[in-house]
Amino acid sequence: IAGITQAPTSQILAAGRRMTLRCTQDMRHNAMYWYRQDLGLGLRLIHYSNTAGTTGKGEVPDGYSVSRANTDDFPLTLASAVPSQTSVYFCASSDRQGSEPLHFGNGTRLTVT
Amino acid sequence: GQNIDQPTEMTATEGAIVQINCTYQTSGFNGLFWYQQHAGEAPTFLSYNVLDGLEEKGRFSSFLSRSKGYSYLLLKELQMKDSASYLCAAMDSNYQLIWGAGTKLIIKP
Repeated sequence: IAGITQAPTSQILAAGRRMTLRCTQDMRHNAMYWYRQDLGLGLRLIHYSNTAGTTGKGEVPDGYSVSRANTDDFPLTLASAVPSQTSVYFCASSDRQGSEPLHFGNGTRLTVT
Repeated sequence: GQNIDQPTEMTATEGAIVQINCTYQTSGFNGLFWYQQHAGEAPTFLSYNVLDGLEEKGRFSSFLSRSKGYSYLLLKELQMKDSASYLCAAMDSNYQLIWGAGTKLIIKP
């Protein structure tokens, strides 16, 4: 089934540990995004990539890094997790930046203790 | 600054009609999106408006007034499965999406 796959579904992580959230899409979409969703707040963009080989910073990039080695994969890394990074993380993709709707993965629920 | 305002929560009755409002302030404007998000699930696309007026898709319609910085999502013939959060997002001049916090819609029988 075409779409976006995120892994893991959920994770409990000790503060200070390194963690990579995985995101793979099979729709050959050019643009990919990482958002975090916290209660009472709108989705906040962490990093994005308009095409393979390029990445950009979103609204809340500190403490996170991404890479886009190919079209399909867009991993998000937390180098040294902190409790404020406890959140639900959504990966999304679109055919191109602009009026095309976003397709979201099912999310990763991360708890940093 | 850029921001989106929408009500936190609304309650409606099965079979009725409900209108969810959204006001936005962005640097430039390249359209407004509505997404539906059931609890514990991913957001899914409902509608996109870039020109003024009403767009109808079955039981759901979305309206935009660019001069007023205002949109609404209209849901008709409400069903229990429509219980969800509805997210409003405006696209600014840099094609970045500014998201509202979402409106939780509770449907009562």
